Amino acid sequence: GDSVTQTEGLVTLTEGLPVMLNCTYQSTYSPFLFWYVQHLNEAPKLLLKSFTDNKRPEHQGFHATLHKSSSSFHLQKSSAQLSDSALYYCALSPSNTNKVVFGTGTRLQVLP
Amino acid sequence: DMKVTQMPRYLIKRMGENVLLECGQDMSHETMYWYRQDPGLGLQLIYISYDVDSNSEGDIPKGYRVSRKKREHFSLILDSAKTNQTSVYFCASSIQGTEVFFGKGTRLTVV
Repeated sequence: GDSVTQTEGLVTLTEGLPVMLNCTYQSTYSPFLFWYVQHLNEAPKLLLKSFTDNKRPEHQGFHATLHKSSSSFHLQKSSAQLSDSALYYCALSPSNTNKVVFGTGTRLQVLP
Repeated sequence: DMKVTQMPRYLIKRMGENVLLECGQDMSHETMYWYRQDPGLGLQLIYISYDVDSNSEGDIPKGYRVSRKKREHFSLILDSAKTNQTSVYFCASSIQGTEVFFGKGTRLTVV
């Protein structure tokens, strides 16, 4: 079946340090990969989506690279900001279905 | 304005009562979803609807049913609510392979 694994439940780091949140996946069909961000008491919203032409998506300083060989789509940012504190979900959508599968989420806590 | 609207936002029910959560979207999306969100478990798919009267179970459908009689409207029903159904419920909609739009969620407490 299709699944997404986020191994870190909580990542805590100091403002200005680089961010990397891990995401690996399993899917029978070549999927689209996504990162969603959820701030406190808000709904999840799309942060990034993988492209079919292997371009690297970027948004708000975040980027992610799809590595099909290792089935990974890690989220990165060069310098964390206090406002980046949120819950981050990695998700996939197999190319043959409308189903979207989410990982368990990683809470990012950025400290001053 | 692209929007998914959920009603009510907060709800307290007694164990054994029936619960109706309503969801609407104004984007004419074919696909709609109901998820529940619990700490440490992330977003778990309860049901997915591919269009009117075309619904499929997700990963945790037990204790829930859904109804979709119009493309823009998708309801989640809990018949005889249980305390372990206390959670935050998110409705969402999408077009295949693209962005999922979420509502603001309904916080349900079953006492």
